[in-house]
Amino acid sequence: TQLLEQSPQFLSIQEGENLTVYCNSSSVFSSLQWYRQEPGEGPVLLVTVVTGGEVKKLKRLTFQFGDARKDSSLHITAAQPGDTGLYLCAFFQGAQKLVFGQGTRLTINP
Amino acid sequence: GAGVSQSPSNKVTEKGKDVELRCDPISGHTALYWYRQSLGQGLEFLIYFQGNSAPDKSGLPSDRFSAERTGGSVSTLTIQRTQQEDSAVYLCASSQDLAANEQFFGPGTRLTVL
Repeated sequence: TQLLEQSPQFLSIQEGENLTVYCNSSSVFSSLQWYRQEPGEGPVLLVTVVTGGEVKKLKRLTFQFGDARKDSSLHITAAQPGDTGLYLCAFFQGAQKLVFGQGTRLTINP
Repeated sequence: GAGVSQSPSNKVTEKGKDVELRCDPISGHTALYWYRQSLGQGLEFLIYFQGNSAPDKSGLPSDRFSAERTGGSVSTLTIQRTQQEDSAVYLCASSQDLAANEQFFGPGTRLTVL
């Protein structure tokens, strides 16, 4: 059983389109993190959301933490080929252990 | 270097052989972590070090897996008598300390067991 369910698993869209990917759970989290991983590299932290209802923006990426702190979403506006990658959400179990969702593999076609 | 480095980047081995994977964390980072990424299991936590100490080894998949860290820096993950199910990308990460909420990942070692 996955503690974090990410959807969709795969998404392929054209450059310039908008998209939203989701990270859902039945558990409440003190914080959630979003990472992007490109082929041949390790995940890179994009954002940490802490407060229920919080919205954080990183250029064309908008991250939202659900009011109940059980879920999060990532919205990308006007997707670019450079946004291609594996998007992972994660939470800390204890102070040390990151637990990841299975990820959304995003492909932006020129 | 500025980031976490891992070696080798790729390792192909035969079933039953032992392998050693190396991780060089960011200089000054006291905490170090090992993860495994495979198609079936996603990204899963294996073990962490605070300094040279690994307080909890319960994330290691079997007793064929071991890890050590020396001098508070370099770490090695050793897999004995490799099996085909050990094939995966092994990722290392480091953080300033255990309280830090950002882990910096290396590029990983892709292990293929034939």
